[in-house]
Amino acid sequence: AQSVTQPDIHITVSEGASLELRCNYSYGATPYLFWYVQSPGQGLQLLLKYFSGDTLVQGIKGFEAEFKRSQSSFNLRKPSVHWSDAAEYFCAVGAYSGGYNKLIFGAGTRLAVHP
Amino acid sequence: DGGITQSPKYLFRKEGQNVTLSCEQNLNHDAMYWYRQDPGQGLRLIYYSQIVNDFQKGDIAEGYSVSREKKESFPLTVTSAQKNPTAFYLCASSFRTGALNTEAFFGQGTRLTVV
Repeated sequence: AQSVTQPDIHITVSEGASLELRCNYSYGATPYLFWYVQSPGQGLQLLLKYFSGDTLVQGIKGFEAEFKRSQSSFNLRKPSVHWSDAAEYFCAVGAYSGGYNKLIFGAGTRLAVHP
Repeated sequence: DGGITQSPKYLFRKEGQNVTLSCEQNLNHDAMYWYRQDPGQGLRLIYYSQIVNDFQKGDIAEGYSVSREKKESFPLTVTSAQKNPTAFYLCASSFRTGALNTEAFFGQGTRLTVV
């Protein structure tokens, strides 16, 4: 069955440090992959997406993600974290499941940033 | 500005009551979605609609109902049959109807609490 796993529920980093959030997916066909960010009590905002082509994709707010088919991963990275990056991050895959196309979300990773 | 508007932001319901959550979009999107978000579980799809006057059940439709009489509007009713309605509800829309590579745009959410 199609699924998305985000192994880290909580991550804490210091401001200015680098960040990597892990995402693994299970999907038999070519995956369409997304990363969204959610500030507390808010909706989700798209950070970046991968459909095809270059496996390293750039997004907003200085984020990037790398698609690795051999590892079924789509990890999100940022070279230097800012305090405003504290939020919850969701990885998602576009999949055909249960008779229709939909987004399947991971459980999310909550990021805390120490000053 | 174009976007998705959900109202109210906070909603309190007594047990046994039906309540309706509003979702309006001015993005001219065909597809609209309702998700439920619970801590540590990511987002789960309740209902989706690909076109006016048509909608389909998602993964957790029991205890919920929707209508799609206008392209811009997709209200969600949480009925008394929903046994655990306390959650954060997110409405989303997308331009292309249900394609796997379609980015979803989200509203700011409604937090429903049963008292």
